[in-house]
Amino acid sequence: DAKTTQPPSMDCAEGRAANLPCNHSTISGNEYVYWYRQIHSQGPQYIIHGLKNNETNEMASLIITEDRKSSTLILPHATLRDTAVYYCISYSGGSNYKLTFGKGTLLTVNP
Amino acid sequence: EPEVTQTPSHQVTQMGQEVILRCVPISNHLYFYWYRQILGQKVEFLVSFYNNEISEKSEIFDDQFSVERPDGSNFTLKIRSTKLEDSAMYFCASSRDRGRTGANVLTFGAGSRLTVL
Repeated sequence: DAKTTQPPSMDCAEGRAANLPCNHSTISGNEYVYWYRQIHSQGPQYIIHGLKNNETNEMASLIITEDRKSSTLILPHATLRDTAVYYCISYSGGSNYKLTFGKGTLLTVNP
Repeated sequence: EPEVTQTPSHQVTQMGQEVILRCVPISNHLYFYWYRQILGQKVEFLVSFYNNEISEKSEIFDDQFSVERPDGSNFTLKIRSTKLEDSAMYFCASSRDRGRTGANVLTFGAGSRLTVL
């Protein structure tokens, strides 16, 4: 599975959109991009995933560039409870059953 | 919303003792996982389990570790002889799909904190 690169930390003001970038320049055609987050040592929580098209759910939006080499997770109206480490993971499925977590981005939402 | 339940939430044990961590995955899920996170470090994959056998395991998952699904609901991780370096948060997870189509959405439990003295 492709290696992903994320900034170690970001800040965001409460109520504003948080845009978290992820580079996955070596991603292959069958690899999905997943986003999970971990709030203060709790279990990781699934947010969203996508392959080529932009995706939106009740938690966030995922924008994937046309060449699929990078993506952005958007939390449209960040709250203090969104302060967490956000992980971008590329995963191809198939016989590989595991998700590999990197260091992620620590998003701090400030009041 | 369905949850993955883990017990105990915190266990303190002496080095060399056996520890069993328990998990109740989501009822219609077929794939089960253990991950661990040493304090301040990354979430690390340990093992995946499907159809009553291990699908994949990491280098961390050596002979001291074993997993079992003793009945239709529980999924356990056993550490036979704990070491100081086994101190970590252990997360159980489950998923419905094996990831064949890429839709491998894992639901994680809240974790069991293991402290080895």
